[in-house]
Amino acid sequence: DIVMTQSPDSLAVSLGERATINCKSSQSVLYSADNKSYLAWYQQKPGQPPKLLIYWASTRESGVPDRFSGSGSGTDFTLTISSLQAEDVAVYSCQQYYSTPPTFGQGTKLEIK
Amino acid sequence: EVHLVESGGGLVQPGGSLRLSCAASGFTFSSYWMNWVRQAPGKGLEWVANIKPDGTEKYYVDSVKGRFTISRDNAKNSLYLEMNSLRAEDTAVYYCERSGPPYRNWGQGTLVTVSS
Repeated sequence: DIVMTQSPDSLAVSLGERATINCKSSQSVLYSADNKSYLAWYQQKPGQPPKLLIYWASTRESGVPDRFSGSGSGTDFTLTISSLQAEDVAVYSCQQYYSTPPTFGQGTKLEIK
Repeated sequence: EVHLVESGGGLVQPGGSLRLSCAASGFTFSSYWMNWVRQAPGKGLEWVANIKPDGTEKYYVDSVKGRFTISRDNAKNSLYLEMNSLRAEDTAVYYCERSGPPYRNWGQGTLVTVSS
């Protein structure tokens, strides 16, 4: 199974500042046939199911604010929130769907400083 | 609009059984792969199982193989998860999800607690 490791485990950022969360996979999730990284990012608020933010490592889901962006390829990925808003307080998780079983990172808790 | 509602969770003793259901609406249920994904308290997400639209293919995470069975009834627009030989480590919120990964359509989840 591919192991997904996020860093940091928790993060406190001031309102309006940039937040950066990293995700590393134990093997490449880049599929050479289509040159796509099979990597997604989710946001989860307490008591709610996860919400898909980013897929194919950098494609923003419809309706997701453009302050959220994803980057990276192969084994190293980053989720960036360009200007933190109060409603962005949540746990963020990465997921690989390159191989079965699809696996998630442990989550990064984002708070306001 | 896709609508998924899980039910059937509760408190069960170790070694016991439970059957979860997921009622689907707002889309043609019989056309989509369906998933169960779980989240233990304070832990990360874990994919559990999925099933092909016609029910002929099913896949499971290793930790539940031989204990859990995913099934569906397309006439009733319903997805099921039969859970046997439950263990403390199966304690989690169980979500049904349509057609991922990536997972974009989730229910609200149902809590399963395995404890004596």
